[in-house]
Amino acid sequence: AQSVTQLDSQVPVFEEAPVELRCNYSSSVSVYLFWYVQYPNQGLQLLLKYLSGSTLVESINGFEAEFNKSQTSFHLRKPSVHISDTAEYFCAVILSGAGSYQLTFGKGTKLSVIP
Amino acid sequence: EAGVTQFPSHSVIEKGQTVTLRCDPISGHDNLYWYRRVMGKEIKFLLHFVKESKQDESGMPNNRFLAERTGGTYSTLKVQPAELEDSGVYFCASSQDTLAGSYEQYFGPGTRLTVT
Repeated sequence: AQSVTQLDSQVPVFEEAPVELRCNYSSSVSVYLFWYVQYPNQGLQLLLKYLSGSTLVESINGFEAEFNKSQTSFHLRKPSVHISDTAEYFCAVILSGAGSYQLTFGKGTKLSVIP
Repeated sequence: EAGVTQFPSHSVIEKGQTVTLRCDPISGHDNLYWYRRVMGKEIKFLLHFVKESKQDESGMPNNRFLAERTGGTYSTLKVQPAELEDSGVYFCASSQDTLAGSYEQYFGPGTRLTVT
């Protein structure tokens, strides 16, 4: 069975500083990878996804993530965070070719941006 | 375009009572999913509908949980009788076309269920 590990439950960072949220997965088959974000009092929103092709994927608000197959990682990065990035971030996978589309999530990382 | 909606947003019930959660997916989305997050744990998959059929219900915890999607539109998730460990946030998601490979699930705001 697949699993997703988010090593940090909370990450405080000062405004305009860089941030990296770590995500590792375990699976015996290929996976599709996702980062979701949950802002306070809202539902989950898809931030970015890796299905195939370029291993570096970007979101419209400056986040990027790189799929590293050898390290089974999909870390999320942003070079300069804003107050509005304060949220909980979830890494998730779907097994490719398995006929099932259930997302397997990590436990989430709460990003707190400090003014 | 309206997003995924869920009702109620919060529910507080006593152990042994029954609760029904409702999810309205995005119009035209054939795929509907239920997930649950128990406090302090990860979000876990419960089941997946394709139209009115249950495609995958491998995550349903036990037979106290009953999900339906009559007519392939909205879905309900009934918990009967509720137990303390059922407390958590129940999320619904929908997606348009898995065959197209988009794999993009749109989530609702969740229903926070508290069983006392």
